Amino acid sequence: NAGVMQNPRHLVRRRGQEARLRCSPMKGHSHVYWYRQLPEEGLKFMVYLQKENIIDESGMPKERFSAEFPKEGPSILRIQQVVRGDSAAYFCASSQGSTNEKLFFGSGTQLSVL
Amino acid sequence: QKEVEQNSGPLSVPEGAIASLNCTYSDRGSQSFFWYRQYSGKSPELIMSIYSNGDKEDGRFTAQLNKASQYVSLLIRDSQPSDSATYLCAVTLNTGGFKTIFGAGTRLFVKA
Repeated sequence: NAGVMQNPRHLVRRRGQEARLRCSPMKGHSHVYWYRQLPEEGLKFMVYLQKENIIDESGMPKERFSAEFPKEGPSILRIQQVVRGDSAAYFCASSQGSTNEKLFFGSGTQLSVL
Repeated sequence: QKEVEQNSGPLSVPEGAIASLNCTYSDRGSQSFFWYRQYSGKSPELIMSIYSNGDKEDGRFTAQLNKASQYVSLLIRDSQPSDSATYLCAVTLNTGGFKTIFGAGTRLFVKA
């Protein structure tokens, strides 16, 4: 399967726990984007990464949220000490990285905080 | 002002009609423009891209771009019930890399 792979598909956490969301980009893609979507709302940009570099994190909350895209392995979006307001669908997308590139989306991770 | 604005709808059209979806953007440096379709509970999928002023047609879909007015539209001809979805307008900005920003989406209902 050469598509964008996200896991887990569903993640349930209690308040105060950590959530780790994983994204493997499409083969040949070196750019990864994370978006958050609340019900009935659009996609909110969070962060844009290349291998080992954060290009733009202007959409990331300043606290508790971090993202990485190591040289080897998937991109990770990490949310520490989750709160109920973090409950949302988190989508990862990948591209080859030029201005004309389409984004290819994974199936998303639905995070539920109890 | 939001970077990408869309009418949230819902937009309801009868089967066979033309659906017209509109989008405006605020950054004149925007370089690429896209329309994505998202079915309920699913991930977005690209249906159209447009990079220069004018019209671009692909099957039943036509994208229109007017950079002077900072306006992008999507026309769906011969609308089908299967077109019922949320349509997301997206714009790519050059911020040192290429960041894609989405509008809130317009919900389209095509009535059989």
